[in-house]
Amino acid sequence: GAGVSQTPSNKVTEKGKYVELRCDPISGHTALYWYRQSLGQGPEFLIYFQGTGAADDSGLPNDRFFAVRPEGSVSTLKIQRTERGDSAVYLCASSPFRGSSGYTFGSGTRLTVV
Amino acid sequence: AQTVTQSQPEMSVQEAETVTLSCTYDTSESDYYLFWYKQPPSRQMILVIRQEAYKQQNATENRFSVNFQKAAKSFSLKISDSQLGDAAMYFCAYRSAGNNNDMRFGAGTRLTVKP
Repeated sequence: GAGVSQTPSNKVTEKGKYVELRCDPISGHTALYWYRQSLGQGPEFLIYFQGTGAADDSGLPNDRFFAVRPEGSVSTLKIQRTERGDSAVYLCASSPFRGSSGYTFGSGTRLTVV
Repeated sequence: AQTVTQSQPEMSVQEAETVTLSCTYDTSESDYYLFWYKQPPSRQMILVIRQEAYKQQNATENRFSVNFQKAAKSFSLKISDSQLGDAAMYFCAYRSAGNNNDMRFGAGTRLTVKP
């Protein structure tokens, strides 16, 4: 597509529930990134995919967070047993693997855990 | 690990005037990229300007320009002839040119433009 698409735009869930957040990157971009942005903060790195594999998952806060990209395109961020502290905007971005270009971001999913 | 610091949580500028947003970073690498992103209330991060560390010349994009001081690890953004549409959060970001390809962001500066 023309841009990075994230769905849903907003998600409200109850504490303890499981959620999935979807990211559809720009066609041809091999690198895909997930970030979490808490209120009043800059985006915080979660995980980076190069193709189908997670090249760097050092930013995932704990084992309740998991992400996949099975076909090297669409990615899903999965959060188990959600906690109120997981409430944030989850941003996805894609880019060519190398080069000086910045990332192209989606509009994010605002997750609210009540 | 690289860190990016934006020391101005909020800035204000009069319409048509000039404002400078500050950014410093810490790295041991010699080859990297620096960016300024704008985030309006729509949440989408929009690339404003980029700078390659190996280039001495400061990047310019229309009303936006940077002052890149590599030795001082400083990367400030100057917005000239400020417009109401420039009001947003601005984030400074660092990206390694090496294998670690992710981008690190500062905490942001909220820019208000007064009519």
